[in-house]
Amino acid sequence: EPEVTQTPSHQVTQMGQEVILRCVPISNHLYFYWYRQILGQKVEFLVSFYNNEISEKSEIFDDQFSVERPDGSNFTLKIRSTKLEDSAMYFCASSRTAHGNQPQHFGDGTRLSIL
Amino acid sequence: QKEVEQDPGPLSVPEGAIVSLNCTYSNSAFQYFMWYRQYSRKGPELLMYTYSSGNKEDGRFTAQVDKSSKYISLFIRDSQPSDSATYLCAMMAAGNKLTFGGGTRVLVKP
Repeated sequence: EPEVTQTPSHQVTQMGQEVILRCVPISNHLYFYWYRQILGQKVEFLVSFYNNEISEKSEIFDDQFSVERPDGSNFTLKIRSTKLEDSAMYFCASSRTAHGNQPQHFGDGTRLSIL
Repeated sequence: QKEVEQDPGPLSVPEGAIVSLNCTYSNSAFQYFMWYRQYSRKGPELLMYTYSSGNKEDGRFTAQVDKSSKYISLFIRDSQPSDSATYLCAMMAAGNKLTFGGGTRVLVKP
């Protein structure tokens, strides 16, 4: 069964450094998402992306964050200047359409640790 | 009031029992309702999704939605130790942003 893949599985970065998290969505999916889960807290929506544009973003997704689809298969999340509070699991998801009857499928996440 | 509320558990049941999970929500705009299973250090895995009120069954899993009460449920029949995980409810309004509950940890004891 097709799946969303994320790399790396664990990223350790010094505070203030830039980090790029990578995702390969399911191949025939058109909508892409990033979520994060701080330890012990809920999974939270960050951003959705369609047709090379952000379609929706949360208030968490400030100017430090950016997303890109650099080629036909990868989808990336960049954090420009990491803070301690950015430490979390980051999940990529994809869906065929934006409708709820084509639900979102998640990768296994990247654990980001900021030192 | 939180948008989506879910009892964190843990919910401990003996193998073979029925597991009953539920979420309540406050946003009447939610139209699509999902249940995900999350094992430790893994991503959410889609189990069930439903639209509007009613029941949906898939194997050992039954999802129920009661929009008038803003209440959704997931039942797992003949539970197995491999069902031990955290179960997340998630909901979506007209857009494509999922709003999650905090998850219920389930332990199925052999």
